[in-house]
Amino acid sequence: DQQVKQNSPSLSVQEGRISILNCDYTNSMFDYFLWYKKYPAEGPTFLISISSIKDKNEDGRFTVFLNKSAKHLSLHIVPSQPGDSAVYFCAASGHSGAGSYQLTFGKGTKLSVIP
Amino acid sequence: DSGVTQTPKHLITATGQRVTLRCSPRSGDLSVYWYQQSLDQGLQFLIQYYNGEERAKGNILERFSAQQFPDLHSELNLSSLELGDSALYFCASSVLSGALYNEQFFGPGTRLTVL
Repeated sequence: DQQVKQNSPSLSVQEGRISILNCDYTNSMFDYFLWYKKYPAEGPTFLISISSIKDKNEDGRFTVFLNKSAKHLSLHIVPSQPGDSAVYFCAASGHSGAGSYQLTFGKGTKLSVIP
Repeated sequence: DSGVTQTPKHLITATGQRVTLRCSPRSGDLSVYWYQQSLDQGLQFLIQYYNGEERAKGNILERFSAQQFPDLHSELNLSSLELGDSALYFCASSVLSGALYNEQFFGPGTRLTVL
């Protein structure tokens, strides 16, 4: 049972254009969402996050949108740059008991930005 | 560089064997998390330790176990290895455990190949 879904395994975008990565979740108890970026041979690195009380969070070229009613979030990268080529993981945070919050990850979307 | 170190980087072993993966968290982080990333899968949460004590369990097999030592480094033990255990194993650390905003910092991973 996949609680966080990234339905597009890959995405190709021209340099300078907008990249939109999508993520859906099923567990309504999730209340914090994060995007991680992963280059080959490295661990994932935190990119941007959003609380469930917001619908938008912006950080430079990266914006995350949250639609709670649709249980959907998206990451926008504008403008896209070749260095953005990586695998992007969507993650959701939820309470797992014993005073602990756990992250549930999607399978990732591989973004290729073409020069 | 996230500050989280993992050894070894690569491990090749045979079915039925036992291996130990090691993780040193970022300085000051008390929580350590272990994740497994198999082919075409997202990061699957295995287990979390906080200040030496097990805090949460995810999809961890009974053949797998972990511990966190007084110096806060952690080890993941995998025994009776099967071909399907071949995967990337990531360790992550964070300052807190019971925090909704739970940014985790990932190590570079250990690639385990079971032949």
